[in-house]
Amino acid sequence: EAGVAQSPRYKIIEKRQSVAFWCNPISGHATLYWYQQILGQGPKLLIQFQNNGVVDDSQLPKDRFSAERLKGVDSTLKIQPAKLEDSAVYLCASSLAREGNEQFFGPGTRLTVL
Amino acid sequence: LAKTTQPISMDSYEGQEVNITCSHNNIATNDYITWYQQFPSQGPRFIIQGYKTKVTNEVASLFIPADRKSSTLSLPRVSLSDTAVYYCLVGPIKAAGNKLTFGGGTRVLVKP
Repeated sequence: EAGVAQSPRYKIIEKRQSVAFWCNPISGHATLYWYQQILGQGPKLLIQFQNNGVVDDSQLPKDRFSAERLKGVDSTLKIQPAKLEDSAVYLCASSLAREGNEQFFGPGTRLTVL
Repeated sequence: LAKTTQPISMDSYEGQEVNITCSHNNIATNDYITWYQQFPSQGPRFIIQGYKTKVTNEVASLFIPADRKSSTLSLPRVSLSDTAVYYCLVGPIKAAGNKLTFGGGTRVLVKP
């Protein structure tokens, strides 16, 4: 079974530039999550989708971050404009839409903002 | 969501048993306890989940006392490849997906 795919794996940009990350969840997983993990900290949930609808985006900085999951499969996370403090690993995870399920994480995209 | 407290780091040696205790004094009735493992440059990986008493799988055991205010993840006979960060999470299980709140985790270093 293929895992969660993310691209790119690494990205370096200058502050005020824009960047986008792509995630392809495990086939059949209705729930998709985006996390931000700053070095030395645990992951922090940014947004959760159920199919193509948003379940929770309470911790998403909506003035600069946006995410979409068109057709309920792939998802993109965008930052515009980026700030220095956005330097982190952005993790995508997916899970089946049933109780007691586990989340499967992708390898992440390491973003460096200069 | 219940707050969790776990040691920042632990050292062990190959072949030993590693026990990581997580405190969650304000755990709610419908909260489950879940542990994830994260290797460098990888996303977290589910290890085990439980509600009460003891749960065991091929990787680890999870011990939960009757008051559920703490839990202990037990890794039997660790190897160098078990060096990772281990996260304890507490929260309800929902059909629409679980909001995981990660703390700082416990960095386990297994030495030869």
